Amino acid sequence: QVQLVQSGAEVKKPGASVNVTCKASGFNFVTYGIAWVRQAPGQGLEWMGWLSIYNDDTNNGRKVQGRVTMTIDTSANTAYMELRSLRSDDTAFYYCARTYCSGGRCYYFDYWGQGTLVTVSS
Amino acid sequence: EIVLTQSPGTLSLSPGERATLSCRASQSVTSSYLAWYQQKPGQAPRLLIYGASSRATGIPDRFSGSGSGTDFTLTISRLEPEDFAVYYCQQYGSSSTFGQGTKVEI
Repeated sequence: QVQLVQSGAEVKKPGASVNVTCKASGFNFVTYGIAWVRQAPGQGLEWMGWLSIYNDDTNNGRKVQGRVTMTIDTSANTAYMELRSLRSDDTAFYYCARTYCSGGRCYYFDYWGQGTLVTVSS
Repeated sequence: EIVLTQSPGTLSLSPGERATLSCRASQSVTSSYLAWYQQKPGQAPRLLIYGASSRATGIPDRFSGSGSGTDFTLTISRLEPEDFAVYYCQQYGSSSTFGQGTKVEI
């Protein structure tokens, strides 16, 4: 069955960077894309961006533009999200999700990881 | 950026009742590229509807989606106890954005 398993919780200081991993199984990894969505405690969902595994095409949301890098390792069926220059308002659950990408566009998110809590605090 | 506004913020209903949730876009959503998700406390979101009206795999037929352009609706025909949750709409026609959510409570 399709599974996305994310790395564990992180605590970081302001200005630091965080890497969240998302290991996929149960589907042909290279024919899909991976999206990243975050959710501050008690708040709504925020799309951060996505990456097409087939052609490495990426698209990032405005709020994290310039601070986020999304990459994949097809040999390990794993996606990575690095967020730099962390601020207190980056404290959130970070989710990876499977998406389908084609022609420079990605679509809805049909399977989700369990979420990774990133806490930014001095 | 397309802004999605969901209403109402909270919907208070009883099991067996019909729930109607609205999602309005600030500009037309390309090709009805709109999805709905359900999220329960402590869980990741679950895809319910994509393409405005197509049910995702395993979703009961009491969930239905409709709409086009800037106005979309999620309808739950008869609420079951497990349907009380927060619902989000998402557009993926121009990058992607989410609505702020509607909480369906007992």
